[in-house]
Amino acid sequence: GENVEQHPSTLSVQEGDSAVIKCTYSDSASNYFPWYKQELGKGPQLIIDIRSNVGEKKDQRIAVTLNKTAKHFSLHITETQPEDSAVYFCAASKNSGYSTLTFGKGTMLLVSP
Amino acid sequence: DSGVTQTPKHLITATGQRVTLRCSPRSGDLSVYWYQQSLDQGLQFLIQYYNGEERAKGNILERFSAQQFPDLHSELNLSSLELGDSALYFCASTRDGSNQPQHFGDGTRLSIL
Repeated sequence: GENVEQHPSTLSVQEGDSAVIKCTYSDSASNYFPWYKQELGKGPQLIIDIRSNVGEKKDQRIAVTLNKTAKHFSLHITETQPEDSAVYFCAASKNSGYSTLTFGKGTMLLVSP
Repeated sequence: DSGVTQTPKHLITATGQRVTLRCSPRSGDLSVYWYQQSLDQGLQFLIQYYNGEERAKGNILERFSAQQFPDLHSELNLSSLELGDSALYFCASTRDGSNQPQHFGDGTRLSIL
């Protein structure tokens, strides 16, 4: 089955800096890659996703890049703010009719004022 | 607010007991997914239902079962509980069973004493 590796497990940055979280996947058939943000006491919230027919997608301060050849994708957050502090999860799935998500282990991002 | 409702928010019980967790998907969503989140295993997919039928199974123990009712709400039943079953249990939903963003509820925290 699919295996998703996520790095780093923790990331500390100063407010205003950029943060990058990287994930690799094992199944070359995977074609959908969402990113979730989970705050304390809450469920994971989708923040951005990308499909394998594009290489990059941006939404304000958040961007995701995908390298299908290398089977890795990354989340980029620019101009970080304290409210960006949370656990971020990457995931992968394939369009096999009834797809399921395989998640990375998560990255705890701490943005210091 | 994702629109996915999970009850109860917290559940405390003892080893050997049985509990039922409930999930109401977003309005119009036909597919429901259950996940277990623990500190050491991350988010693990358990089972998926689509319009009342089981569609995919993940790492779900035989002591666990689920069902989706005609009104599309779903229940996850956990029996013969063990200390290791203590975790957060999340439900997510999508419009149908294909490769779409999953919207998560805020989970049920299960504590086994």
